[in-house]
Amino acid sequence: DTEVTQTPKHLVMGMTNKKSLKCEQHMGHRAMYWYKQKAKKPPELMFVYSYEKLSINESVPSRFSPECPNSSLLNLHLHALQPEDSALYLCASSRWTGGSGANVLTFGAGSRLTVL
Amino acid sequence: DAKTTQPPSMDCAEGRAANLPCNHSTISGNEYVYWYRQIHSQGPQYIIHGLKNNETNEMASLIITEDRKSSTLILPHATLRDTAVYYCIAVSGGSNYKLTFGKGTLLTVNP
Repeated sequence: DTEVTQTPKHLVMGMTNKKSLKCEQHMGHRAMYWYKQKAKKPPELMFVYSYEKLSINESVPSRFSPECPNSSLLNLHLHALQPEDSALYLCASSRWTGGSGANVLTFGAGSRLTVL
Repeated sequence: DAKTTQPPSMDCAEGRAANLPCNHSTISGNEYVYWYRQIHSQGPQYIIHGLKNNETNEMASLIITEDRKSSTLILPHATLRDTAVYYCIAVSGGSNYKLTFGKGTLLTVNP
């Protein structure tokens, strides 16, 4: 299995809702990532998990709450979002274990979020 | 990590080679050059990477100049399905968990 699977593909939520995005990989990768991509812009890094521990938070607002319950799963919990948070949310994983070698990311297809 | 500069857009005829340039004049010795592409509404896809030597795989070839200040991604026989935004990223081996995407090049392959 060489895929990163993201669910749901599309999500519409109100500003008072609580929802979650889910990401799963079975490649034995130990690093997992969340990116956010607005229309016609490049992806922007949000969070990095390494060995199930949060290693990077790119100053993301607390209404986005990541969780890595095990080495195969990554969740992004959403609460009290704003319409400007509407975007494509991309999950990625890599084998990287912190060394100095190359680090290749495998991306999922993304979850398209619309906040009303 | 070194800043990269790419042309915003390029066109290529189907069946011809597509040569996508990338400038990374401030690259340091331990920084890899990665290429990813993103087809419309899909997640980015890894293409190839290199450090010093030229590299080739089933998708493309990567030519890095001897001074490492620029590189070229070559798609040998472009097809319509190669229409995508191509991102060139330079990042060091020690911090390459922070893959930062620039604006990229929109390659349009025309029939």
